[in-house]
Amino acid sequence: TQLLEQSPQFLSIQEGENLTVYCNSSSVFSSLQWYRQEPGEGPVLLVTVVTGGEVKKLKRLTFQFGDARKDSSLHITAAQPGDTGLYLCVGQNFVFGPGTRLSVLP
Amino acid sequence: KAGVTQTPRYLIKTRGQQVTLSCSPISGHRSVSWYQQTPGQGLQFLFEYFSETQRNKGNFPGRFSGRQFSNSRSEMNVSTLELGDSALYLCASGQGLNTGELFFGEGSRLTVL
Repeated sequence: TQLLEQSPQFLSIQEGENLTVYCNSSSVFSSLQWYRQEPGEGPVLLVTVVTGGEVKKLKRLTFQFGDARKDSSLHITAAQPGDTGLYLCVGQNFVFGPGTRLSVLP
Repeated sequence: KAGVTQTPRYLIKTRGQQVTLSCSPISGHRSVSWYQQTPGQGLQFLFEYFSETQRNKGNFPGRFSGRQFSNSRSEMNVSTLELGDSALYLCASGQGLNTGELFFGEGSRLTVL
């Protein structure tokens, strides 16, 4: 059974700080997706990574897929209150990580 | 274009009752998948329908069932409700089977008393 773990589970930071959240597995994934879910809404796709070692940037967000395709990270530079939400990593076959709940305080 | 629509948004049931939730996917999308989200278990996959057939299934008891109609709209049903079924039920639509971006609705929040 494929499982995804995420860390940290909760993160509360001040506006302007940098942060990194992690998604790890003992299994190899052909692709990983990152979604963000804001309160009262469904998750929204941020990025899909498919190649080991791949780095993708989305404005202040940087996503990396591990060389062995077992882990991924999301780095946010100069966090803003609008980044607040639940960050989910998702592997193929509907495997969801438990999420990292981020709170960015103004 | 219109997003994924889920109805009802909120509902309250009592133990032993059954409930039916509805999901209208984005026009042109043929895949609809359902999820249960709770604070303790996170987001868990229930099942996926594509072209009116259940194609993938998660690890939930048979009380949870679903179907998809020819217009791709989907319903899920939970029978003999238990307190632990209280959750946010999300559906997502996609263009392909078990692939690509998932477009989620806002969810149906079920409370079982």
